[in-house]
Amino acid sequence: DQQVKQNSPSLSVQEGRISILNCDYTNSMFDYFLWYKKYPAEGPTFLISISSIKDKNEDGRFTVFLNKSAKHLSLHIVPSQPGDSAVYFCAASNLPNQAGTALIFGKGTTLSVSS
Amino acid sequence: DAGVTQSPTHLIKTRGQQVTLRCSPISGHKSVSWYQQVLGQGPQFIFQYYEKEERGRGNFPDRFSARQFPNYSSELNVNALLLGDSALYLCASSVAGTGVTEAFFGQGTRLTVV
Repeated sequence: DQQVKQNSPSLSVQEGRISILNCDYTNSMFDYFLWYKKYPAEGPTFLISISSIKDKNEDGRFTVFLNKSAKHLSLHIVPSQPGDSAVYFCAASNLPNQAGTALIFGKGTTLSVSS
Repeated sequence: DAGVTQSPTHLIKTRGQQVTLRCSPISGHKSVSWYQQVLGQGPQFIFQYYEKEERGRGNFPDRFSARQFPNYSSELNVNALLLGDSALYLCASSVAGTGVTEAFFGQGTRLTVV
C-alpha cells in the first residue's frame, strides 16, 4: 500500500524545455514534502522541499507546487539541462520537528534530458 | 566540509552470515536514519536514532538492529542474512530538532547476499 506514488517511471525532455515530475500521496497527515535527485552509485541529493502551509516553493531552476486538496505535488525544472538526467524521488513526512519521523519515498521517476 | 560517509561501499556476504554497516553523520548533525533501497524501488525507512536513542523503526524484522554512539556515528547490523537483504543501504543525517527536514544522504553501502 504505497502512500507516495510517482506514476511515471520515466520522462524524456529536450534541453531548454520544462520538465514536470509528478507525485501523489494518500496520507492526509503528511505535511512536509521533499524532492531528491539520485545519480547511479551515489546517495540521493536533496533538491527542494515544501511545507503544507505553502503551495509553492522556488529555488533557482527548481519549483515545487503543492495542491493539498488533490494530494498532489509537482517538481518543475526550467530550463532543463542534460546534467539534470537522473532519478528523481518524491518523499513525504509528518511532524518535521520530531526526531523520530521517517521519510516515505515514491518509487522514483527517471528523467532523461537530451541535448 | 565532509558529508555523510558510509563504509564499506560494497560488500558480499553469504546467506546466514551477519553484517555491520557504518555511518558517520555530517558534523553537528545528531540524528541518523537508515534506509534500504532495492532495485526499482524508493528508499524504505529502517531506523532513526537521535541522541543515541531509537526514535523510529520501520517495518523490518528483528534481524535488523542499529545503534548510535556518543560521537553520533551509527552502525546497522543485520543477522542471519537472506538473499532478499541484497540492497543499497543508505544512511542519512539531519540537524537536531528538524527531524527529517533536508536529510542528507551518504553514498550508500551496496550489500550483495549470495
